[in-house]
Amino acid sequence: GENVEQHPSTLSVQEGDSAVIKCTYSDSASNYFPWYKQELGKGPQLIIDIRSNVGEKKDQRIAVTLNKTAKHFSLHITETQPEDSAVYFCAASSPGGSQGNLIFGKGTKLSVKP
Amino acid sequence: DTEVTQTPKHLVMGMTNKKSLKCEQHMGHRAMYWYKQKAKKPPELMFVYSYEKLSINESVPSRFSPECPNSSLLNLHLHALQPEDSALYLCASSQGALARGWRAGTEAFFGQGTRLTVV
Repeated sequence: GENVEQHPSTLSVQEGDSAVIKCTYSDSASNYFPWYKQELGKGPQLIIDIRSNVGEKKDQRIAVTLNKTAKHFSLHITETQPEDSAVYFCAASSPGGSQGNLIFGKGTKLSVKP
Repeated sequence: DTEVTQTPKHLVMGMTNKKSLKCEQHMGHRAMYWYKQKAKKPPELMFVYSYEKLSINESVPSRFSPECPNSSLLNLHLHALQPEDSALYLCASSQGALARGWRAGTEAFFGQGTRLTVV
């Protein structure tokens, strides 16, 4: 089945710097890769996603890149702000088969220092 | 509107109690999910409902009993829980689902969760 590895587990940056979180997946059939932001005491919030027919997607300060050959995808946050501090989860989804649901990475706790 | 509403936000129950968690969405999504999340861990899938029918049960103990009364509502009935069942219980929904889960490439939206404490 699918396995998603996420690194780093913690990341501390200075306000205004960029942050990069990386994930690798094992199932070459996976074709949907969302990123979730989870603040303390809240549910995961979908912030950006990418499908396997696209190499990069950007939404304001957030971008996601996908390398299908290497089976890895990354979240890039530019000009970080204190309100970006949260736990970020990557996930992968395979069509049908024995799963067909989201497999999450273990999460990255991002701290943005003012 | 991408809102999934869960009630209650917090719940404390004894090991002999019976309680229910509720989830509601009005996005017309036909797949709904229950996840369990322990502290500092990713969400773990418990149940998937596709078109109001249970399609996945991830070997969840029978003290957790899901119910999908209609396409907008999802309940999780709790009975005789253990302290180790204390966690954040998350509901999610997505537009499409196959019998074994959601159609790949379909965005899933989560509720804010119910923080459950079993004493």
